[in-house]
Amino acid sequence: DAMVIQNPRYQVTQFGKPVTLSCSQTLNHNVMYWYQQKSSQAPKLLFHYYDKDFNNEADTPDNFQSRRPNTSFCFLDIRSPGLGDAAMYLCATNAGGGGFSIFSEAFFGQGTRLTVV
Amino acid sequence: AQSVAQPEDQVNVAEGNPLTVKCTYSVSGNPYLFWYVQYPNRGLQFLLKYITGDNLVKGSYGFEAEFNKSQTSFHLKKPSALVSDSALYFCAVRGSNAGNMLTFGGGTRLMVKP
Repeated sequence: DAMVIQNPRYQVTQFGKPVTLSCSQTLNHNVMYWYQQKSSQAPKLLFHYYDKDFNNEADTPDNFQSRRPNTSFCFLDIRSPGLGDAAMYLCATNAGGGGFSIFSEAFFGQGTRLTVV
Repeated sequence: AQSVAQPEDQVNVAEGNPLTVKCTYSVSGNPYLFWYVQYPNRGLQFLLKYITGDNLVKGSYGFEAEFNKSQTSFHLKKPSALVSDSALYFCAVRGSNAGNMLTFGGGTRLMVKP
């Protein structure tokens, strides 16, 4: 049973056309992450939420935004996709609360492969 | 800042032979270490983790890893490789002073040949 679900698995968007990627989880985890992964490289953290508390990485471009309307859902918005934004986008969750999140492994979705044309 | 190094882009082994995928780390505070595997066009799957205690950690699919504090290493091992183990392997670290930040190494592609 999938616990972290990303939709769609493959997304094609036009250069400059806003696009939204979705992630949902059934684990009731406090922490949700968005990672960008290019060409089998290391996943690069874009931002993460601890509950509603949003944490943006310093080098994440302003073109990338995120929303977390509730515990289960998290969205990645790319306001004006460029060719360089073509990548696999990975959503992950982590148990949190009481300091246990640092001990816990992250659970990843299957990823959304974004193509920009 | 915390970091992870995986010095080998690719490791080639013959089926049935032991395998080692290397990982070294740098963190502030105590290290919490993880190994993940990624198959083509898939997300990352958790294999094992070291939090505290026994330096040899056993995980999924027959994999194990050895934590070495003095060498700041956490190498992934398996006594007998399978062709189906061929995949991309990532080591990750979270320092006790880093909150929820999980940092990945650059990945090592494991190729197991029949």
